[in-house]
Amino acid sequence: AQKITQTQPGMFVQEKEAVTLDCTYDTSDPSYGLFWYKQPSSGEMIFLIYQGSYDQQNATEGRYSLNFQKARKSANLVISASQLGDSAMYFCAMREGTRYSTLTFGKGTMLLVSP
Amino acid sequence: GAVVSQHPSRVICKSGTSVKIECRSLDFQATTMFWYRQFPKQSLMLMATSNEGSKATYEQGVEKDKFLINHASLTLSTLTVTSAHPEDSSFYICSARDSTGGPKDTQYFGPGTRLTVL
Repeated sequence: AQKITQTQPGMFVQEKEAVTLDCTYDTSDPSYGLFWYKQPSSGEMIFLIYQGSYDQQNATEGRYSLNFQKARKSANLVISASQLGDSAMYFCAMREGTRYSTLTFGKGTMLLVSP
Repeated sequence: GAVVSQHPSRVICKSGTSVKIECRSLDFQATTMFWYRQFPKQSLMLMATSNEGSKATYEQGVEKDKFLINHASLTLSTLTVTSAHPEDSSFYICSARDSTGGPKDTQYFGPGTRLTVL
C-alpha cells in the first residue's frame, strides 16, 4: 500500500480563491511528521509547511495551512488567496518514527492558477 | 536561512564519462544529506542517504558502484555518476537535513542538477 496518496493529479483555481490539495497517509507509527513541498517548473523543492503527529493545532505558515485530521489520516494543504506564482507541482511527504528517518513522497498534484 | 546549493545546475556529457555533482548546505551544518532522482512528471525517488564521515546507505536497486557518494564535511556531499549512459539522464536533487531545527528536522533541497548523457 502507498504510504502517501495524493489523489488529484491536477487542480485548477482562479486567482485570489482558496484551494485545497488532498493528502492521505498510511502509517502504524505513532510518531511521524508530515511535510508539504512546492516544486515550480525550475525544479527546486521549496519547503512550505510541517505538521507533527503530536501537534495539537493545525500548522499555518502565511497563506498556507494544513488541515490535519489524524483519525482520517489526512493532511490537506490549504492555500488561501491563490496567486499566479502558486502554479507549481505540490508534494506531500511523510517522515515516520525517529527524526533520522527518510521522507516518503506522494506522486504530487499540479496546481494551475488562472487570472 | 537553510539554503542548499547544488552545482552544476545542468550538465551534458558523453556516454562513458563520469560526472560529479556537489551539494552544499550554505548556512547550517548537515550531518545527513540525501540524494534523489526524479524522472519527468514523476515524484522524487530516494537514491541514498549520505552521512558525514561514514559510508552512504543506498536504497534497494541503486548501484553503489555507479553512484558514488562522498560526504567529506558537514556542509558538502558529492554524487559521482560513473561511466554515465543515456539511461542515467535525469534530474538529480540533493537535500540536507537541518539537525538543529528541533522536532521538524526538515530537509531543505538544492535546486537540482539536470544531467543529459548523449
